[in-house]
Amino acid sequence: AQSVTQPDIHITVSEGASLELRCNYSYGATPYLFWYVQSPGQGLQLLLKYFSGDTLVQGIKGFEAEFKRSQSSFNLRKPSVHWSDAAEYFCAIASGSARQLTFGSGTQLTVLP
Amino acid sequence: KAGVTQTPRYLIKTRGQQVTLSCSPISGHRSVSWYQQTPGQGLQFLFEYFSETQRNKGNFPGRFSGRQFSNSRSEMNVSTLELGDSALYLCASSLGGQASGGYTFGSGTRLTVV
Repeated sequence: AQSVTQPDIHITVSEGASLELRCNYSYGATPYLFWYVQSPGQGLQLLLKYFSGDTLVQGIKGFEAEFKRSQSSFNLRKPSVHWSDAAEYFCAIASGSARQLTFGSGTQLTVLP
Repeated sequence: KAGVTQTPRYLIKTRGQQVTLSCSPISGHRSVSWYQQTPGQGLQFLFEYFSETQRNKGNFPGRFSGRQFSNSRSEMNVSTLELGDSALYLCASSLGGQASGGYTFGSGTRLTVV
């Protein structure tokens, strides 16, 4: 069975500071990896995805993520956080043949002015 | 290109009633998946439909059902509502359903059971 762990339930950073959100997964092979963001009362917006190739993936809104096979991790980063980045962030995986996503429990990001 | 449309946005129902939620996928997408989001259980997969056939189902009781129409629009139904069914129900649209195609989510339907 596959699973996703987001160890940080809540992270607080100051505007302009750098950000790293952690994601670890458990799966027998290399899964498809995703990061989604959810604003209050809204659906999920895809930030970026990794399927294969370059392990550093660029996404929207200035986010990037790095796949590290040896650590089974897919951490999300942003060099300088904006107040509008405050939201909940979800890491998700799917196997190549699967037709469903398995989500982590999410990380709530608070941005201080 | 229009996104994924879920209706209604909000619903309040009484225990024991039934409810039907609707999802219209992105034009050309033939796969629709449903997810339940609650504070306690997080995001959980309900089921996935492709070309009017359910191909995959999560671990939910039989009170949760769905269907897909020939135009790819999908509905999910919950019968005999329980307080624990209060959740945000999200629909995801995909070209063929596989992970490589990616998934686009709607804004969800917030169901409150009282």
